[in-house]
Amino acid sequence: QKEVEQNSGPLSVPEGAIASLNCTYSDRGSQSFFWYRQYSGKSPELIMFIYSNGDKEDGRFTAQLNKASQYVSLLIRDSQPSDSATYLCAVILDNYGQNFVFGPGTRLSVLP
Amino acid sequence: DAGVIQSPRHEVTEMGQEVTLRCKPISGHDYLFWYRQTMMRGLELLIYFNNNVPIDDSGMPEDRFSAKMPNASFSTLKIQPSEPRDSAVYFCASSSRQEGYGYTFGSGTRLTVV
Repeated sequence: QKEVEQNSGPLSVPEGAIASLNCTYSDRGSQSFFWYRQYSGKSPELIMFIYSNGDKEDGRFTAQLNKASQYVSLLIRDSQPSDSATYLCAVILDNYGQNFVFGPGTRLSVLP
Repeated sequence: DAGVIQSPRHEVTEMGQEVTLRCKPISGHDYLFWYRQTMMRGLELLIYFNNNVPIDDSGMPEDRFSAKMPNASFSTLKIQPSEPRDSAVYFCASSSRQEGYGYTFGSGTRLTVV
């Protein structure tokens, strides 16, 4: 059973703080890792993807991948109330785009 | 591109009726996925197509569910007969290998079966 796990939250952080969202996955063969943001009543939207170990930065967002620990995280710097949403971690097992597994999501609340 | 287009946005139907959900993927994307999302179960993959061919339909809950993709620009998900437990938000998403497989989701169809 391929699994992607996340803390369901809610994770509450004050405005301007760093929000840290974590995701673990069970299958060592996993190749590609994605973070999606989903506002209430809306569809998920892709924020970032990461394929290689290390950090990848895009504006206020940083994705971190550690394949040895089977761990991927998303850091949001200078959190804003508009970042309040559910963040979904997704993992692709192979090189062909199949076996795309979503985690249950972490609900983030940024308090003004 | 207008993104992934789904219709209808909302559907309310009576138990036992047939429901058809529609999806137009992003032009050039060779993968199309149908997902169902509920509070209890999160996002569940129902079926996906590659180049219009169904690849994995193991997530389709029962024979009441069927999906087709007659061409690269159109797919349908049909439920017949519908039941109250089918109430959920149904998302269509598309992706391509050239773009790294990141999904683009449609706006979803909120289905309520009464």
